[in-house]
Amino acid sequence: DQQVKQNSPSLSVQEGRISILNCDYTNSMFDYFLWYKKYPAEGPTFLISISSIKDKNEDGRFTVFLNKSAKHLSLHIVPSQPGDSAVYFCAASEWTSGTYKYIFGTGTRLKVLA
Amino acid sequence: NAGVTQTPKFQVLKTGQSMTLQCAQDMNHNSMYWYRQDPGMGLRLIYYSASEGTTDKGEVPNGYNVSRLNKREFSLRLESAAPSQTSVYFCASSEAWAGTYEQYFGPGTRLTVT
Repeated sequence: DQQVKQNSPSLSVQEGRISILNCDYTNSMFDYFLWYKKYPAEGPTFLISISSIKDKNEDGRFTVFLNKSAKHLSLHIVPSQPGDSAVYFCAASEWTSGTYKYIFGTGTRLKVLA
Repeated sequence: NAGVTQTPKFQVLKTGQSMTLQCAQDMNHNSMYWYRQDPGMGLRLIYYSASEGTTDKGEVPNGYNVSRLNKREFSLRLESAAPSQTSVYFCASSEAWAGTYEQYFGPGTRLTVT
């Protein structure tokens, strides 16, 4: 059973417009939620995170929103740029066995059109 | 400061052969992880280690063994490779006690089992 879901495999957006990537989760014990960006043939790189006790976190063009009651989070990229084209993974962490364990979604491929 | 390094970058095995994927990090992190990435499946956790000398199973541990040799190194072993283990394998590290929750990923090992 998937605890973290990204239901949109792909998304295309015009350059300069807003990109909204969505993620749903089922486990209310998750502490933190993170977004990673992945280019082909590279490892994922951390983008932004949010604590389960907050509802918004902003870093430059990237904002993550958390709706705990709906068990839903979203990543907003404004304005979108061609260099943002990549696969985006949502991840959730829970404390277990002396560290954080991370569960990832299946990813959303974002294509920003010039 | 190399971050997380993985060797080899590519490997082709025949069914039944064994091999060890190597991972090392130079960030003095306590926690290390192994993931596999398959098309449409996202990143799935194979094993993780909270600290030197401890290891725990993740979502998909069957067919794998791990060794946390020291604080820097965390290896993944396939004793008898199967075609279902064809995948891209990522190693990651993090520091649970640093107040940040992000993981740092290596560049990946692309494994094909024929």
